[in-house]
Amino acid sequence: DGGITQSPKYLFRKEGQNVTLSCEQNLNHDAMYWYRQDPGQGLRLIYYSQIVNDFQKGDIAEGYSVSREKKESFPLTVTSAQKNPTAFYLCASSARSGGVSGANVLTFGAGSRLTVL
Amino acid sequence: GQSLEQPSEVTAVEGAIVQINCTYQTSGFYGLSWYQQHDGGAPTFLSYNALDGLEETGRFSSFLSRSDSYGYLLLQELQMKDSASYFCAVRDLSGGYNKLIFGAGTRLAVHP
Repeated sequence: DGGITQSPKYLFRKEGQNVTLSCEQNLNHDAMYWYRQDPGQGLRLIYYSQIVNDFQKGDIAEGYSVSREKKESFPLTVTSAQKNPTAFYLCASSARSGGVSGANVLTFGAGSRLTVL
Repeated sequence: GQSLEQPSEVTAVEGAIVQINCTYQTSGFYGLSWYQQHDGGAPTFLSYNALDGLEETGRFSSFLSRSDSYGYLLLQELQMKDSASYFCAVRDLSGGYNKLIFGAGTRLAVHP
């Protein structure tokens, strides 16, 4: 079955460490996204990519970095520069075109919960 | 830029009907989407409206009025499993890039 796999599901980080969250999809989607969700909050866009080797900052990109070397993969690195990294991180993908079957329909992974000790 | 407003919480009883509203401000409109998220889970797509009117999918319906920059999600015959957070979202094409912007979410609690 097609879908998005995020790993690890839970991650603990010491202050000052960089961590990388994995996101892999086999849906043949061109676009991929990273969102951050804090308790009781909505989804805030960190980074997104419409095509391989291209990505754009979202609303809260500071302290994060990404790469898109393969269509299937969009890893997110939470750097030590991110002052408050404890959150639930969601990766998603979609087709590039609009409409019901396109860019408005995001498929999400199960998420990675990062806790800073 | 884009902004969306929706109520933070809604409470209802099993079997009832509940409406979750969403108002938006966008520099260009390309459709309103709705997503459901259970606690600890991933959001899942529910519906999408590009044109005015009502779209029905089983117990769930979504309505859009572009002239009022307003939409709502209607849940009928509520079940306990409908207790979840519901997010409206709009597409942002600024800068030539295509991304989805979400509202803060409405937490629905269904009681017996």
